[in-house]
Amino acid sequence: EAGVTQFPSHSVIEKGQTVTLRCDPISGHDNLYWYRRVMGKEIKFLLHFVKESKQDESGMPNNRFLAERTGGTYSTLKVQPAELEDSGVYFCASSQESTAVYSPLHFGNGTRLTVT
Amino acid sequence: GEDVEQSLFLSVREGDSSVINCTYTDSSSTYLYWYKQEPGAGLQLLSYIFSNMDMKQDQRLTVLLNKKDKHLSLRIADTQTGDSAIYFCAESTALNSGYALNFGKGTSLLVTP
Repeated sequence: EAGVTQFPSHSVIEKGQTVTLRCDPISGHDNLYWYRRVMGKEIKFLLHFVKESKQDESGMPNNRFLAERTGGTYSTLKVQPAELEDSGVYFCASSQESTAVYSPLHFGNGTRLTVT
Repeated sequence: GEDVEQSLFLSVREGDSSVINCTYTDSSSTYLYWYKQEPGAGLQLLSYIFSNMDMKQDQRLTVLLNKKDKHLSLRIADTQTGDSAIYFCAESTALNSGYALNFGKGTSLLVTP
């Protein structure tokens, strides 16, 4: 079974540019999550999709961030325009159910975003 | 959000036991987790524990929970060099939103020969 895949693995962009991160969850997983780790800080929840619907986007930092999951399969996270403080590692995770314990999150390897 | 605190570094010798500690502040935490991140890889769930449990053991891993003190620990017996990684403590309370996990900053474990 293929795991959660994220693309690209690393992106370096200049301040003000746009970047789109992609996540392909495990096939059949309705739940998809985005998390972010800024250097030296905690991994923070960004948002949660159930199929194509946003279940919880309380962690999205501001309106420069836009997440989509058209068709309920893969998801994209766009940052426009990027700022220096957006640098960090963006993790995607997926799971089958909405109860953590019974269907643990499977995380991707993350996308390391560097904004210069 | 609520705080999850961990020490940042731990160094042990191969064959010794490692104990990674974590404290959290949210008294309504329902589930607590340990994740492992190896270099260049994603987060791997090592273990989880319900808040009404005190201990969970799985091979070389032992998770202890002191709910009164809001203290969670991960003990790795007979630590190997392959155990070198970052270990994240996490907690969650929300069921309706699934997995708004609150993570600590991670403890970097270095195992020396």
